[in-house]
Amino acid sequence: GAVVSQHPSRVICKSGTSVKIECRSLDFQATTMFWYRQFPKQSLMLMATSNEGSKATYEQGVEKDKFLINHASLTLSTLTVTSAHPEDSSFYICSARILAGGYNEQFFGPGTRLTVL
Amino acid sequence: KNEVEQSPQNLTAQEGEFITINCSYSVGISALHWLQQHPGGGIVSLFMLSSGKKKHGRLIATINIQEKHSSLHITASHPRDSAVYICAVSRGGPGTASKLTFGTGTRLQVML
Repeated sequence: GAVVSQHPSRVICKSGTSVKIECRSLDFQATTMFWYRQFPKQSLMLMATSNEGSKATYEQGVEKDKFLINHASLTLSTLTVTSAHPEDSSFYICSARILAGGYNEQFFGPGTRLTVL
Repeated sequence: KNEVEQSPQNLTAQEGEFITINCSYSVGISALHWLQQHPGGGIVSLFMLSSGKKKHGRLIATINIQEKHSSLHITASHPRDSAVYICAVSRGGPGTASKLTFGTGTRLQVML
């Protein structure tokens, strides 16, 4: 199947710093990428939908100034957690969408575990 | 009530057992996905279904659109199948972003 990578896989940072997470589709072009967060023992929660060359669409309750998303190319989307605080500690997962048989299919990245001290 | 419900929430099985995980949904969908999440967190897409049945190795996924129900079966289960299995549905046609709505997952542990 299609491969999606994330970098870094794990990051520990001090409160107040900003952290950038990259999501790349390695062998296909993705017009749409999705960013999710997951708290322990909970399911994934969609944060935002990122379309190449346009502004991201954020879900209700997700601060767009806090979670900056840039989708500069068809293979790369970045999520920047600005002025991170301990409550931002979570597992962040991206997925990239391609069309398959007329329906969307998403391929998930391996995730980035963020710990804010 | 969640739009996507899974059962059971937790499942412990002995190696070799036949396992079934169920997913019910309450909305119209364009496709249903079964995902596997290992303890490290990475997610693997197992199946995407819009009708009928799909098989890949020891995994079988079925969907009944009329009953709004899907099942994931694992034959001859093995400890390496231990993971969280997540059902997710997508809505909207091919021209839309088709966001996924996730179930809460089924935590499977297969014992030796």
